[in-house]
Amino acid sequence: DSGVTQTPKHLITATGQRVTLRCSPRSGDLSVYWYQQSLDQGLQFLIQYYNGEERAKGNILERFSAQQFPDLHSELNLSSLELGDSALYFCASSVDRAGTQETQYFGPGTRLLVL
Amino acid sequence: KNEVEQSPQNLTAQEGEFITINCSYSVGISALHWLQQHPGGGIVSLFMLSSGKKKHGRLIATINIQEKHSSLHITASHPRDSAVYICAGQFLDDKIIFGKGTRLHILP
Repeated sequence: DSGVTQTPKHLITATGQRVTLRCSPRSGDLSVYWYQQSLDQGLQFLIQYYNGEERAKGNILERFSAQQFPDLHSELNLSSLELGDSALYFCASSVDRAGTQETQYFGPGTRLLVL
Repeated sequence: KNEVEQSPQNLTAQEGEFITINCSYSVGISALHWLQQHPGGGIVSLFMLSSGKKKHGRLIATINIQEKHSSLHITASHPRDSAVYICAGQFLDDKIIFGKGTRLHILP
């Protein structure tokens, strides 16, 4: 158990819909990372938040947005869903003291299926 | 352009063999991560390196900054090591690029 929790575990929805994925980092971790893993694209970095602020952005679509709240949990919002958004979505957290990179701890993932 | 290449894509070996997985990256990084993903899908972080060498049990990870290359070694491999191993470069702009992964199968 990494200490990172993600809800829900599974999500089935229809094209055009909007969903919210939630991530609670390990206690004390300031950074949250979001990743997408699909069969054809492999693992892709979406976005990183550090202590409530966006720190780095990867291949995140404009239809997707994220935020990190004062209690450091994070949410990834996916809207106008398409079939191709079906994937495993992971979040990870790390301490990331200022100016350093630290080991990331991964949550169990949310499996999204868009029908 | 930030790129990460990993080899081999697939590797089958006998129990007890010494395993090496390679990872090369295109430009400077601040950290190189090695991850393990089991068939159930869960991801475990094995190592995070910015220089030198790290060891944990039968796993060793090395990085050569000048050659932009990292290796993951498994000594005395065991069927329970069967998994997908993924390297990821965390670049100076904080973006993270993943290799395509190495599917390792250790035969008893």
